Amino acid sequence: DAGVTQSPTHLIKTRGQHVTLRCSPISGHKSVSWYQQVLGQGPQFIFQYYEKEERGRGNFPDRFSARQFPNYSSELNVNALLLGDSALYLCASSLGGTQYFGPGTRLLVL
Amino acid sequence: GENVEQHPSTLSVQEGDSAVIKCTYSDSASNYFPWYKQELGKRPQLIIDIRSNVGEKKDQRIAVTLNKTAKHFSLHITETQPEDSAVYFCAASYYTGANSKLTFGKGITLSVRP
Repeated sequence: DAGVTQSPTHLIKTRGQHVTLRCSPISGHKSVSWYQQVLGQGPQFIFQYYEKEERGRGNFPDRFSARQFPNYSSELNVNALLLGDSALYLCASSLGGTQYFGPGTRLLVL
Repeated sequence: GENVEQHPSTLSVQEGDSAVIKCTYSDSASNYFPWYKQELGKRPQLIIDIRSNVGEKKDQRIAVTLNKTAKHFSLHITETQPEDSAVYFCAASYYTGANSKLTFGKGITLSVRP
């Protein structure tokens, strides 16, 4: 069965650039959440979308934004990249509160 | 907001022994508690979860217990195997049907010595 997919798998950007990360949830899942995981830490919540509406936002600056499309896929956008944005960005799709993670996008900001 | 802490930060056990990983949470409203296993370079993988209306749940060698009064929950792994070596994260959320933000602990590195 198809799990959560994310693209791209790896990305290298320079400071000040913009990045768009993409996520496709498990078929039938209407909720998508985004998390940032820096090395040696647990994932930190960025956004949750359910039925195309934002349902939660973590403690991240306005440079981070997201949206969910009618097919329940989602995009995470980060503007004006900083070195500290280097991390693994995880997407999770959920049903009944149980969240299943995608493989992540590893972002390196130079 | 919710705060989740894990103890200890590293754990080493002999193959075949049991391992217990403990987590505490701060928000008494939290009602859903999953555990994830993350191997190096891979995604967090859900291994077991428990909801607040249940005190214990078991799945083969893995069990989770929840103490709502003390606000802590624990992962128990019996008959550990080298492939159990990984980072284990606990998390908590207040699930309402549409909102499901997970707050994670910092993770515990479990090493199983052959």
